[in-house]
Amino acid sequence: DVKVTQSSRYLVKRTGEKVFLECVQDMDHENMFWYRQDPGLGLRLIYFSYDVKMKEKGDIPEGYSVSREKKERFSLILESASTNQTSMYLCASGFRLAYEQYFGPGTRLTVT
Amino acid sequence: GDSVTQMEGPVTLSEEAFLTINCTYTATGYPSLFWYVQYPGEGLQLLLKATKADDKGSNKGFEATYRKETTSFHLEKGSVQVSDSAVYFCALSSNAGGTSYGKLTFGQGTILTVHP
Repeated sequence: DVKVTQSSRYLVKRTGEKVFLECVQDMDHENMFWYRQDPGLGLRLIYFSYDVKMKEKGDIPEGYSVSREKKERFSLILESASTNQTSMYLCASGFRLAYEQYFGPGTRLTVT
Repeated sequence: GDSVTQMEGPVTLSEEAFLTINCTYTATGYPSLFWYVQYPGEGLQLLLKATKADDKGSNKGFEATYRKETTSFHLEKGSVQVSDSAVYFCALSSNAGGTSYGKLTFGQGTILTVHP
């Protein structure tokens, strides 16, 4: 079975803190994605990566950055957390041409 | 740009009722279409897919047919169970312009609650 793991299920941070969310996949997938999920808005793509050290902005990249130093690991960084970044963050991975994505369980981040 | 519109929820049904969740899309090129399901406290998982017009995807009693003429991919199940309570997302992946990065565009999700 494909396994996508995220470093935390729940996280509480203070405004202005630097926040790291980690995602690891064990299926040698080329693509990795970070989404945020908010009620009524569905999933919105923040950033994705199609290879090591390669990244592209998604639909809502402002306030976020990413890092992919190894194929299996994709990190989302909130440089200075703000309350409007309180959300559920989902990581996903997939093969380059297969389109199907496999999701982690999500990290519910609260910024106070 | 690409977009997916799902029927507004939440949807509440009794066990063994018939389920339809509507999904329509706008896309350039020839998208592949997906339904993902998110059970409480979990990430999304692929429920079914269809890659070309008139294809029918099916899994766990759920079905959806890719209708190019109406740009729709409605999800149906003949008899729902309490265990089907979840959030359902319609999604598309378009390869317009030759890009093949596997990006998906999701609808807003439909919450389904099934009562005994």
